[in-house]
Amino acid sequence: DIQMTQSPSSLSASVGDRVTITCRASQNINKFLNWYQQKPGEAPRLLIYAASNLQSGVPSRFSGSGSGTDFTLTIGNLQPEDFATYYCQQSHTTPRFTFGPGTTVDIQ
Amino acid sequence: EDQLVESGGAMVRPGGSLRLSCAVSGFNFDEYDMAWVRQAPGKGLEWVSSINWTGGNIGYADSVKGRFTISRDSAKKVLYLEMNTLRAEDTALYYCVRRARNLVESYFYYYMDVWGKGTTVTVSS
Repeated sequence: DIQMTQSPSSLSASVGDRVTITCRASQNINKFLNWYQQKPGEAPRLLIYAASNLQSGVPSRFSGSGSGTDFTLTIGNLQPEDFATYYCQQSHTTPRFTFGPGTTVDIQ
Repeated sequence: EDQLVESGGAMVRPGGSLRLSCAVSGFNFDEYDMAWVRQAPGKGLEWVSSINWTGGNIGYADSVKGRFTISRDSAKKVLYLEMNTLRAEDTALYYCVRRARNLVESYFYYYMDVWGKGTTVTVSS
């Protein structure tokens, strides 16, 4: 099975900051990588698919990059509504779409 | 609006059984793969099971294989998860999820783009 790791596990940031979250796969997954945002008490929301493609309706301050085993999610100009937990997910090995452990972004 | 509504969650004793349902509306159920994802209290997301649009391709996480069964009813537009021999570690919020795909640079990329609000399963004596 493909294992996903994320770093950091949590971070503190301020409104207006630029934040970067890293996701690593245990083997080459090309660009088969998705990012989700989850706020407390809510279902996850798809942000990015295929490593760098922004889902419809997602603000452009969110961006993704990477391929192979190393990926990043960047939030430029952090907004109050962006404080949440972010998960990466590999979609290389269908149907076993495993998630990373999550990165919590909270207010500094 | 594309919508998924889960039901069937309950408190059950270890060894017991439950059937979760997910009612679909707003999109053509027959055109999409579907999945169940769970989240234990205070924990991360765990993929549980997936079924493709025909029902002919099914997968399970190792943690539930042999105990859970996913199925779909096209006429009723409902996704199911039959859960048997439940354990304490199955306690979680269970989400019904639509799995969509998009063609990007000659490859189909899959992702989970519509989520229900979840139904809670508690396994406790």
